[in-house]
This record gives sequence, C-alpha cells and structure tokens, in this order.
Amino acid sequence: QVQLVQSGTEVKKPGASVKVSCKTSGYTLTHFPMHWVRQAPGQGPEWMGWINAGNNNTVYSRKFQVRVTITRDTSASTVFMELSSLRSEDTAVYYCARNFAGPFEYWGQGTLVTVSS
Amino acid sequence: DIQMTQSPSTLSASVGDRVTITCRASQNVSRWLAWYHQKPGKAPNLLIDKASSLESGVPSRFSGSGSGIEFTLTISSLQPDDFATYYCQQYNAYPYTFGQGTKLEIK
Repeated sequence: QVQLVQSGTEVKKPGASVKVSCKTSGYTLTHFPMHWVRQAPGQGPEWMGWINAGNNNTVYSRKFQVRVTITRDTSASTVFMELSSLRSEDTAVYYCARNFAGPFEYWGQGTLVTVSS
Repeated sequence: DIQMTQSPSTLSASVGDRVTITCRASQNVSRWLAWYHQKPGKAPNLLIDKASSLESGVPSRFSGSGSGIEFTLTISSLQPDDFATYYCQQYNAYPYTFGQGTKLEIK
C-alpha cells in the first residue's frame, strides 16, 4: 500500500533553513506528482508547491517561491522540501501529499517545524 | 489566487442530525472541488472529489453537490466518528487553495 513517511520534528532559529524529507513506498516515485502543504496552528492547510518526480520540474506558490525548494532522490524514493529564511510565522506542520491529477489522496504524517529564538 | 470561504466556522450538532457545510469560491472552479475531514494531530483525509464523487470507503451518509462557485457537503445522519474539522479545496488553478475549515462539534 502507498505510504509516505516524513522526517521528525524540527526546532529552528529565525533566519535558518529546514529540510523535511518524505520517504515513499508502495508505488513508483516517478509516476506521480508530490506536493507540499503546510498547516499553521488553528489554520486551514496552505499549498506550497509540487514536483513532477518524473522529470524533476517544480511549481511553487508565489508566496513561497523565493524561499522553497522541492527536490527528489529517485534512488531513495524520497522527496525533500527545504524552506529558507525561516521566521516565526513559518511555525507549522508540514505535509507531503500525493495526487494524480486532482486532490490529495495520500498524505504523510506531518512534520512539526517550530521557529523560535 | 482563488479564495475559498466556508460557513459556518463552527457547527454544533448531535448524533443522528443532518448537517450541511457550504463552501464558496471567489472565482469559478467548475467542479474541481474536494472535501476533506481532519482529526486533531492527523493529516486531512479525502472524502469527496470532483464536487460529488465519494472516495472509495467513504460512507454513503456523506454527499457533495455544487459547481462553479458554490458547493455543499452534507452528512445525512451524524455518527460519533464524524465530529472533526472539514475543509474544502479547489484544484482548478494554482495555487491550490483550501477553506479555513468548519469544526463540527458535539452539541
């Protein structure tokens, strides 16, 4: 069965970067897109961007475009999301989420990133 | 960006009640609209896509309707497991956007 397993909780200082991983199993990574969605405490989810794991093309939300990088390692069946220049407002749970051509059918368990001085 | 507005923000109801949640888009999203529910500490779970198509395994008490800018999610007879937060999401255009959520509470 499809599984998305994310890396663990992170605590970062303002200005630092964080890199979250999403290890996939149960399907071929390159056959499906992978998205990243974050959810701040008490808020609705917020889409950040996605990677075409087949050809490595990426599309980012304008809000995060200058700070986010999504990559993949096909040999490890893993997708990564790196967010730089962290600020307190970036404190959130970050999810990887897989779709085919529509909504998100599979989600990782989430990674809490806390930004605090 | 397409804004998604849900109402109400909170809904108090009892087991067995019929409830309806509304989602309004700031632009036409055709039928590219999904509904999720989310329990505390868990990822969202897809219930409905293309406005009215129930995902495999989702109970038939859930139904969705609408197109264009106005959509509804109806639960015909609330069960204890249904008390959660519900989100709509449009996937007609990037950036994909979600509503702010409707928290369904036990009365």
